[in-house]
Amino acid sequence: TQLLEQSPQFLSIQEGENLTVYCNSSSVFSSLQWYRQEPGEGPVLLVTVVTGGEVKKLKRLTFQFGDARKDSSLHITAAQPGDTGLYLCAGGTGNQFYFGTGTSLTVIP
Amino acid sequence: DSGVTQTPKHLITATGQRVTLRCSPRSGDLSVYWYQQSLDQGLQFLIQYYNGEERAKGNILERFSAQQFPDLHSELNLSSLELGDSALYFCASSVARGPADIQYFGAGTRLSVL
Repeated sequence: TQLLEQSPQFLSIQEGENLTVYCNSSSVFSSLQWYRQEPGEGPVLLVTVVTGGEVKKLKRLTFQFGDARKDSSLHITAAQPGDTGLYLCAGGTGNQFYFGTGTSLTVIP
Repeated sequence: DSGVTQTPKHLITATGQRVTLRCSPRSGDLSVYWYQQSLDQGLQFLIQYYNGEERAKGNILERFSAQQFPDLHSELNLSSLELGDSALYFCASSVARGPADIQYFGAGTRLSVL
């Protein structure tokens, strides 16, 4: 059983479309992070959200932390082929760190 | 380039064998984390060291052990290898001790157990 469940697991869209990836848990996290991982590389941190209800924007990416700090979403506007990769949410509780199940995104030119 | 160096990049070995994976953290980072990534389990936290001391333990098997040396590099030892240990092993480092601190990941070591 994974502490952080992501949906969808796979997503294939056309360039220019919008998409949302969800990260859900029954546990409360002090903060949530989003990473992107490309084949053959380690995950790279995109953003950290720490306050319930917080919204952060990074160019075409919008991240939201749920009010109860149990869930988060990542919205990408006008997706580009360069957005292709594995998106992972991650959260710490106590001294443990958990990664989500991952969403594999393919943006078709 | 994250600044975290992992060696070797690829490792092929047989069941029952023992291997050592090495990680050099970013300059100035005191924490080192080890993760295992497989298709069925995703990215799993194994263990964290902070300034030479074990700080947190995740889903690490008893056949696996790790240590962090005075120069802050770390090694992950995997013994009595099984087919199911085949995976990508990542090392990450951060400045501070909290797991939610920004972690910088290496490129990983791909272990194949035949």
